[in-house]
Amino acid sequence: DIVMTQSPDSLAVSLGERATINCKSSQSVLYSSNNKNSLAWYQQKPGQPPKLLIYWASTRESGVPDRFSGSGSGTDFTLTISSLRAEDVAVYYCHQYYGPLPGTFGQGTKVEIK
Amino acid sequence: EVQLAESGGGLVQPGGSLRLSCAASGFTVSSNYMSWVRQAPGKGLEWVSVIYTGGGTYYADSVKGRFTIAADNSKNTLYLQMNSLRAEDTAVYYCARGTTSNYWLLGLWGQGTLVTVSS
Repeated sequence: DIVMTQSPDSLAVSLGERATINCKSSQSVLYSSNNKNSLAWYQQKPGQPPKLLIYWASTRESGVPDRFSGSGSGTDFTLTISSLRAEDVAVYYCHQYYGPLPGTFGQGTKVEIK
Repeated sequence: EVQLAESGGGLVQPGGSLRLSCAASGFTVSSNYMSWVRQAPGKGLEWVSVIYTGGGTYYADSVKGRFTIAADNSKNTLYLQMNSLRAEDTAVYYCARGTTSNYWLLGLWGQGTLVTVSS
């Protein structure tokens, strides 16, 4: 199975500053039929279920603020929060849906306010 | 309103059984890929089971042979029958729906129900 490894495990960022989370897959998740990376990001706030933020590595789900952006290709991906707000405190998970389906999640990265 | 609501969690002894329910509103369960995802206390997400629109199913190796996923179209409800429960099955269990653009993207989640396996 594809192993997803996120870094760091946690980070503390000042309000208004940039937060960057990395996700590395043990093999490429680039889907050749559509040339898209089968990589999603979820946000889980304390006491809440996860919420889909980004899919195909860089496509924001409807309603997700544009301060959230995803990038990367192949095996290395990044979730960036351009200007951290208090409501962004959460654990963020990457998820590969390349295969074998349903795919695998990363271990999560906790984002806190410095 | 489109939503999912889980129920049926609780405290059960090792070796016992429990059935979780997930009532869907605003859409038809049988027309979607429906999943159960669990989260052990303080841990990450683990995909447990999926039922496809054609009725096929997927189970994680950790629950294969012990858990059964099913959907009742008349009640528009998803179920997870859990047998031979172990301490390591202790978790919040979420039901979730795949998106229309990709079945493996979980765009709608319930609030979860806690299952505790302990003597």
